[in-house]
Parts: sequence; structure tokens; C-alpha cells
Amino acid sequence: EVQLVESGGGLVQPGRSLRLSCVASGFTFDDYAMHWVRQAPGKGLEWVSGITWNSGDIGYADSVRGRFTLSRDNAKNSLYLQMNSLRADDTALYYCAKGRLYASGTYQAAGDSFDYWGQGTLVTVSS
Amino acid sequence: DIQMTQSPSSLSASVGDRVTITCRASQSISTFLNWYQQKPGKAPKLLIYPASSLQSGVPSRFSGSGSGTDFTLTINSLQPEDFAAYYCQQSHSTPPTFGQGTKLEIK
Repeated sequence: EVQLVESGGGLVQPGRSLRLSCVASGFTFDDYAMHWVRQAPGKGLEWVSGITWNSGDIGYADSVRGRFTLSRDNAKNSLYLQMNSLRADDTALYYCAKGRLYASGTYQAAGDSFDYWGQGTLVTVSS
Repeated sequence: DIQMTQSPSSLSASVGDRVTITCRASQSISTFLNWYQQKPGKAPKLLIYPASSLQSGVPSRFSGSGSGTDFTLTINSLQPEDFAAYYCQQSHSTPPTFGQGTKLEIK
């Protein structure tokens, strides 16, 4: 059974940093792209960042580029999101999601989708 | 970025009804369109990829169609567990983008 378990969320002041983690199990982690997708309270889904199976390609939403850094450790079946210079509009539930396509060369290959999701970790940015 | 627009934003229907949700892309995305279902307090769940393939375990009353810029998600014979929010997402170009969602409520 595929499982994605996020952690690291919490209440943080504007301008501070936070590091999210996602631990995967139930599939061969280093064969698939991984992503973070967030959802602000009462709002829709927003893709944040994605990384290929071998970290060869990483992408970011414009809203987080330059502030967030995505990485993975395949030996630990783990995905990380380093979030710096946090702002109030980063407040959201952050989901870890698995790419469906095997060993895709880009972080979101044409035709890919997010086939498994974790339960999310809540990030609240407030003074 | 490709903009995805869903309609309607909300929809009321009864158990047993057939409903259709529409998703329109700001430019052609071929058939690279996915649909997700999200129940309150839960993570999204992949329903259909790309455009018309049913994800494993998803009931056959769900179907997707379309290509280019216009897509539809159809649910035949609504069941109580189908009342949820639905999102479309394009995977034609980076960054991946979602529609704003359609909330399906019980009439």
C-alpha cells in the first residue's frame, strides 16, 4: 500500500523558515517524480514544486520560486521542502504527491498526474 | 501558464442523477487533463487520467472526455459518496495548473 506521510508544519512568523518532510512507502520511491501541492483554507489546489526521480529537474511555482527549495533523499525515501522568507499567503495545507509516470525525464511530463497523496501538513504564517 | 476554468463552481444534484462538470483550458492541451475528487477534510484522489482513463478502483459511473481545450467529467447515477469537490488539472505544460474546483452538493 502506497503511503505518504508529511511532517514539519506549524505556526511560524512572517519572514521565518520551515522545512517540510514527506516519507514514502509502498512503492519504489526512486522511480517516480514527487511534488508538493498546497491548499489555502477554503480554497482550491495549487501546485508548489516538483522533482524528478533523480533530482535532475526541479520546478517551482512563480509564487515560491527563490524562497522554497525542493530536494529528495532516495536512500531515505524522503522528500523535503525548505521554505524560507515565509509570508502570510503561504498559509495552507501542504500535500506531498507522487507522480504517476515511471522515471519521467521532467518533473511533470506530458500526461503525468498525481496518483497518490499524503494527508497533508498545515503551515500557518502569522505574527 | 495555462489557465484552467471549471464550470459550474457549485452544483446541486440528487442521488441517482447524472451530472456533468466542464473544464476549459486557455490553450490546447491535447488530452493531457486529469480529474481529482476531494472530500471534506481529505486529500484529493485521482479519478481520471489523461482525459478518459479511469484510475484503478474508481467506479465505472465516472467518465471523462474531451480534447484540445474542452473537457467534461460525467458521473452517472450519483451515489451519496460522490458529493465532494472536483478539480481538473492539466499536464500538457509546466507548471501544472488546476481548475478552481466544482463543489457537488446534495439537493
